[in-house]
Amino acid sequence: KAGVTQTPRYLIKTRGQQVTLSCSPISGHRSVSWYQQTPGQGLQFLFEYFSETQRNKGNFPGRFSGRQFSNSRSEMNVSTLELGDSALYLCASGSGSTDTQYFGPGTRLTVL
Amino acid sequence: AQSVTQPDIHITVSEGASLELRCNYSYGATPYLFWYVQSPGQGLQLLLKYFSGDTLVQGIKGFEAEFKRSQSSFNLRKPSVHWSDAAEYFCAVGATGGATNKLIFGTGTLLAVQP
Repeated sequence: KAGVTQTPRYLIKTRGQQVTLSCSPISGHRSVSWYQQTPGQGLQFLFEYFSETQRNKGNFPGRFSGRQFSNSRSEMNVSTLELGDSALYLCASGSGSTDTQYFGPGTRLTVL
Repeated sequence: AQSVTQPDIHITVSEGASLELRCNYSYGATPYLFWYVQSPGQGLQLLLKYFSGDTLVQGIKGFEAEFKRSQSSFNLRKPSVHWSDAAEYFCAVGATGGATNKLIFGTGTLLAVQP
């Protein structure tokens, strides 16, 4: 089976712009979670989707949003980018309601 | 609230030496526990997990971890380290009994291997 894929792998944006990141889970997996990784804050949970429904959300401002499609692919959007949004964004998928999470390679976002 | 502590930010070991990375968690019940490894610029690779049952779990690449409820610990071990094991290691806890896959991560331990 193919692993979790994330596109794009690298992204450079300027402050105030918005960005959309994409995640394709492992085939058959219905759960997708997003994490932000920075040197200062470490790995922080953004949100989780299961069967197109957001069922958990981390402590991030409303500028961070996401969605999941019927094929389980997920996108996350960050509007009005700030310098502090520069990070590695990781997506993880799982097959069940409470299950092992498998991570993708991440999208490296740089905000200038 | 759930939390994970990895007391060692950075560890250096010699190739061929044994390794133990420490992880302590705080959780109201028996949690799900994971160890992941991350090479520079890469995502997280699952090394092993504990859900229930035998408290000594075996993982990939020769790693093992032992769940000790009395100490709230889930330490990662390897008997003989290889240079390719140099990476950052993350311990994580997941919720049990609820409909979520959310993970709480420790701050990571960066492992350097010297020849």
